[in-house]
Amino acid sequence: AQTVTQSQPEMSVQEAETVTLSCTYDTSENNYYLFWYKQPPSRQMILVIRQEAYKQQNATENRFSVNFQKAAKSFSLKISDSQLGDTAMYFCAFMKQAFGNEKLTFGTGTRLTIIP
Amino acid sequence: DAGVTQSPTHLIKTRGQHVTLRCSPISGHKSVSWYQQVLGQGPQFIFQYYEKEERGRGNFPDRFSARQFPNYSSELNVNALLLGDSALYLCASSPWSRSTGELFFGEGSRLTVL
Repeated sequence: AQTVTQSQPEMSVQEAETVTLSCTYDTSENNYYLFWYKQPPSRQMILVIRQEAYKQQNATENRFSVNFQKAAKSFSLKISDSQLGDTAMYFCAFMKQAFGNEKLTFGTGTRLTIIP
Repeated sequence: DAGVTQSPTHLIKTRGQHVTLRCSPISGHKSVSWYQQVLGQGPQFIFQYYEKEERGRGNFPDRFSARQFPNYSSELNVNALLLGDSALYLCASSPWSRSTGELFFGEGSRLTVL
């Protein structure tokens, strides 16, 4: 079974600063996806960024980037130039890459507050 | 285009009652999954359905059941409600074919059991 651990229940940062959210996971699988999902106060969960385990290059999406360390089973999210709209719960999630499998295993989340 | 829609958005039940939650996936999406999110925790996988067949089941009791209809919409049923069933129930859909692993979530149904 897979586990995902987020050790930072809450974080806050000044607007325009950079913040890094931590995530570690445990799995015996070799092929998998890792995700960061954002859940704003309106509740709808949306995908922030996605990483395929076989890719060594770290994924980036505009102000969002990850530091994927496969051997260490670490998957941190860096948000640059943080904006007020980044205030949300952030969940790290794991999905085994297998035909027909779409089960996500989530961490407990990090509540991020951007301070004006 | 409409996203994943869920109904009802909020509901209150008492212990022992039954509840049905509904989900309509994004047009063209054929796979639907259900998650339970207890306050302060990450979502927990309950079920995954594709082409009306159960493709995955999480560690939930038999009081939880689901089904998928020919139009790919889905229902989650919970019998004999317990106080611990109070949670946000999230539905997610995906196209299944050419899947990138990304799931698209609805806003959820907030269930309160008194």
